[in-house]
Amino acid sequence: GENVEQHPSTLSVQEGDSAVIKCTYSDSASNYFPWYKQELGKGPQLIIDIRSNVGEKKDQRIAVTLNKTAKHFSLHITETQPEDSAVYFCAAIPNFGNEKLTFGTGTRLTIIP
Amino acid sequence: EAGVAQSPRYKIIEKRQSVAFWCNPISGHATLYWYQQILGQGPKLLIQFQNNGVVDDSQLPKDRFSAERLKGVDSTLKIQPAKLEDSAVYLCASSLGVASYEQYFGPGTRLTVT
Repeated sequence: GENVEQHPSTLSVQEGDSAVIKCTYSDSASNYFPWYKQELGKGPQLIIDIRSNVGEKKDQRIAVTLNKTAKHFSLHITETQPEDSAVYFCAAIPNFGNEKLTFGTGTRLTIIP
Repeated sequence: EAGVAQSPRYKIIEKRQSVAFWCNPISGHATLYWYQQILGQGPKLLIQFQNNGVVDDSQLPKDRFSAERLKGVDSTLKIQPAKLEDSAVYLCASSLGVASYEQYFGPGTRLTVT
């Protein structure tokens, strides 16, 4: 089955700086890669996703890049703000017709004012 | 648009007791998922429904966990009897259906087994 590894497990950045979280996946057939933000006491919130036929996607301060050859994808947050502090999870779906998400282990991002 | 609703939000029970969780997905979403999230880990899929049929329950501990989605809308997840290691957050998610991969999560139910 699919295996998703996520690094780093914790990340602290100064407000206004950029943050990058990286994930690798094992199944070369995986084709959908979402990122979720989870705040304390809440469920995961979908913030951005990318499909395997696209190399990069951007939504305001958030961007995701995908390298299919190397089987890794990354979340980039620019101009970080205190409200960006949360746990971020990457995930992957192995193939079309199977919507089973496999999650990474999470990154706790802390924005230092 | 209303999000995924779950209840209760918190539950404390003793081991060997039973417990049930309820989920109401986003209106029109055909696919419903139950996940277990142990503290410090990512969510792990327990069961996936497409309308009222089970698509994947390979990770559901069927000796103690059961789930149903009788009318293709609401769903309940039951644990009987509970064990200490069942302490976790139980998350419900929904998506539109086949080939629609965006999953939207509810707030979860935090279960503590003592």
